[in-house]
Amino acid sequence: ILNVEQSPQSLHVQEGDSTNFTCSFPSSNFYALHWYRWETAKSPEALFVMTLNGDEKKKGRISATLNTKEGYSYLYIKGSQPEDSATYLCENFGNEKLTFGTGTRLTIIP
Amino acid sequence: DAGVTQSPTHLIKTRGQQVTLRCSPISGHKSVSWYQQVLGQGPQFIFQYYEKEERGRGNFPDRFSARQFPNYSSELNVNALLLGDSALYLCASSFTTSQANEQFFGPGTRLTVL
Repeated sequence: ILNVEQSPQSLHVQEGDSTNFTCSFPSSNFYALHWYRWETAKSPEALFVMTLNGDEKKKGRISATLNTKEGYSYLYIKGSQPEDSATYLCENFGNEKLTFGTGTRLTIIP
Repeated sequence: DAGVTQSPTHLIKTRGQQVTLRCSPISGHKSVSWYQQVLGQGPQFIFQYYEKEERGRGNFPDRFSARQFPNYSSELNVNALLLGDSALYLCASSFTTSQANEQFFGPGTRLTVL
């Protein structure tokens, strides 16, 4: 993979359900991966900074894993709540380049 | 504590004009980065400044320039504006240039070029 790609592009999830989405990135010369949550009309909010292969990070109901050898990271949300509705962005730093994905737009249905 | 602040929040310019956007980082943060976000795309990295020096540059033309002041605030300048420069311009601050540091974003400046 040459660019940072996120899938799916958008997602509708029933309140209370769990969900996950993917960030794929070039695996060569990896340095760090950032996850952000971006709510409409607000600033992007940092969720996680991940640097080591096999990293797992958790913040409340949200967690993330990292596989630098195959070039992907998963973001998991457990028991979705309406306030989880946002665009989730990943940003890769590798080969001395900073690259964002286009985001996954998550909508929680009450 | 104040977060990252940016000014102005909105701006309308015409083609060929010049624009200056401003960013104040979180107190204690010495690194400031600038991003451009066009609707439907992820933010694109423009510049990173640390201790008043450019430490990184994205794939943007020379019409884009920036500087950082002794108080670590920063300005992004865009000359000879084109319609395609219409975007949300985000500023982010962090302690150092290390990409292992958390970045904190401002609310952005929405630039419209007519």
